[in-house]
Amino acid sequence: RKEVEQDPGPFNVPEGATVAFNCTYSNSASQSFFWYRQDCRKEPKLLMSVYSSGNEDGRFTAQLNRASQYISLLIRDSKLSDSATYLCVVNWAGSARQLTFGSGTQLTVLP
Amino acid sequence: ETGVTQSPTHLIKTRGQQVTLRCSSQSGHNTVSWYQQALGQGPQFIFQYYREEENGRGNFPPRFSGLQFPNYSSELNVNALELDDSALDLCASGSPQGADTQYFGPGTRLTVL
Repeated sequence: RKEVEQDPGPFNVPEGATVAFNCTYSNSASQSFFWYRQDCRKEPKLLMSVYSSGNEDGRFTAQLNRASQYISLLIRDSKLSDSATYLCVVNWAGSARQLTFGSGTQLTVLP
Repeated sequence: ETGVTQSPTHLIKTRGQQVTLRCSSQSGHNTVSWYQQALGQGPQFIFQYYREEENGRGNFPPRFSGLQFPNYSSELNVNALELDDSALDLCASGSPQGADTQYFGPGTRLTVL
């Protein structure tokens, strides 16, 4: 079983749509959670951290459910520029900032 | 931009050769981590350096080694290259105050023939 699991997609959605990505993690000692965005053949870039209370950044909303070991990302009013691979990332307690990545979910926003 | 730079951007080697990749961390960041990203996969943690000492290692064999220098720049060395080492090799730096946030460089795309 992978430590961080994501639906690989691809998700193809029209501009303006709302799309949700889900992620589960296996290590209950995980303490920090992130969504990274990766454009084709580029490096991953931090999109947002994920907090237990849930957090929002513009059109992006992230949720964390520690009991279910589940993380989500909601993108509202999708833009063409949102097309990328979205990586779910977890850091375990005491792991010296070792980030564990899911395989990513590919999103294409269509005109 | 993150301020993290890597060189070279691309590299082609043959099986059995050795390679050294370089990373320059963002100013003020004293930890550096290296990750390997195979095609279609997420990055996999190789190891991390803090104050010039290895501070955590992932599931990679000893032929993957590293160094961190007093100016916080870093090297990833891979000996006896194998075909499966073809990947995007990424370094990421973090600040003492930044908890778990890491900032990635653009990566070195390594191809082993």
